[in-house]
Amino acid sequence: EPEVTQTPSHQVTQMGQEVILHCVPISNHLYFYWYRQILGQKVEFLVSFYNNEISEKSEIFDDQFSVERPDGSNFTLKIRSTKLEDSAMYFCASSENVPSSYNEQFFGPGTRLTVL
Amino acid sequence: KNQVEQSPQSLIILEGKNCTLQCNYTVSPFSNLRWYKQDTGRGPVSLTIMTFSENTKSNGRYTATLDADTKQSSLHITASQLSDSASYICVVTTDSNYQLIWGAGTKLIIKP
Repeated sequence: EPEVTQTPSHQVTQMGQEVILHCVPISNHLYFYWYRQILGQKVEFLVSFYNNEISEKSEIFDDQFSVERPDGSNFTLKIRSTKLEDSAMYFCASSENVPSSYNEQFFGPGTRLTVL
Repeated sequence: KNQVEQSPQSLIILEGKNCTLQCNYTVSPFSNLRWYKQDTGRGPVSLTIMTFSENTKSNGRYTATLDADTKQSSLHITASQLSDSASYICVVTTDSNYQLIWGAGTKLIIKP
């Protein structure tokens, strides 16, 4: 069964460093998403991406964040200068189409980012 | 403000027992309601999706209900198994931009 994959599973970085989180969405999917979940808190939407551009983004997704689809398979989230509060689990998701009534988002296993 | 509230926050039951988790929402306009299961350290996995016109949907031992009038949903788990230990998250999609509004989840622990 096709699945969303994410690498690395755990990333440790120093405050101020840049990190890039990698995702490979399901191959025939067209919409891609990044979410984050701070330990013990709700899942939070960061950004959605379609047709090589951002469709929606939340207030969390400020200038420190960027997304890219550098080739036909990878979808990346870059954090330019990490802060302690960026420590969280980051989930990538993909859907075949816009998340309408029955269009499901499939989530990857997540990357745990720890900023020291 | 669009919000999804879940109760209880956590629940411990014995293996083999049934349980019901609750979700109340104030999301408008409403598109659909989903229940996800999230194992510790893993991504959420969809259990059920219900639209406005559906008031019950089953997926194996999981049965979700939806009352669109009172804006309440429940997830009933029958004959619980140890592998049911996870967080169960209620998520409501708005009909305006199809963004997912997430609840905080109910952490369910099944004890042998």
